[in-house]
Amino acid sequence: EIVLTQSPGTLSLSPGQRATLSCRASQSVSSSYLAWYHQKPGQAPRLLIYGASSRATGIADRFSGSGSGTDFTLTISRLEPEDFAVYYCQQYGGSSWTFGQGTKVEIK
Amino acid sequence: QVQLQESGPGLVRPSETLSLICTVSGYSLSSGYYWGWIRQPPGKGLEWIGTVYYIGSTYYNPSLRSRVTISLDTSKNQFSLNLSYVTAADTAVYFCARILTGPYHFDSWGQGTLVTVSS
Repeated sequence: EIVLTQSPGTLSLSPGQRATLSCRASQSVSSSYLAWYHQKPGQAPRLLIYGASSRATGIADRFSGSGSGTDFTLTISRLEPEDFAVYYCQQYGGSSWTFGQGTKVEIK
Repeated sequence: QVQLQESGPGLVRPSETLSLICTVSGYSLSSGYYWGWIRQPPGKGLEWIGTVYYIGSTYYNPSLRSRVTISLDTSKNQFSLNLSYVTAADTAVYFCARILTGPYHFDSWGQGTLVTVSS
């Protein structure tokens, strides 16, 4: 089973700042099968990025994804108030899906 | 536009079986895609439980495999989750979701339903 480790656990930033979130896999992941979600309290997760770098429908271009192999990054270029949430990476491999433990982006 | 809705008991007693149904609208289950269950204990992260392909093939989280059954009912456009021998550790919000074939990400989610395991 591939384990995804996200860092940092919590990111304290101000609106307008840049956020950089990391997702590291215990073994190589196909870039095609790496996705990012965000989740606000009381809501279901929402897909942001799929295929490591493709934005989902309706997602603002301040969100971007990059990486390959075992290291992937989600970048939010300028934080908006609605971006403060928990972010999860997710991978598929070998008929199994796993999520990272999440990074909370909070208002500083 | 596809919509998913979870339903089932909000309280289950320890050692019994948790049973949930996901009703899908706006898309026919028999037409394609994978369909999955994910859970989230209070205050914690997301855990994949299992997935069913539209032809009935199933895939389960190894840590839950011995207790999980997921199945399709295409006549009702529903898929279901059964989790047996539950304990307090199974208390969570349970989500159902659609998984796109190929990229294998969860593109549409239900709102989630809280299931509490308690006597």
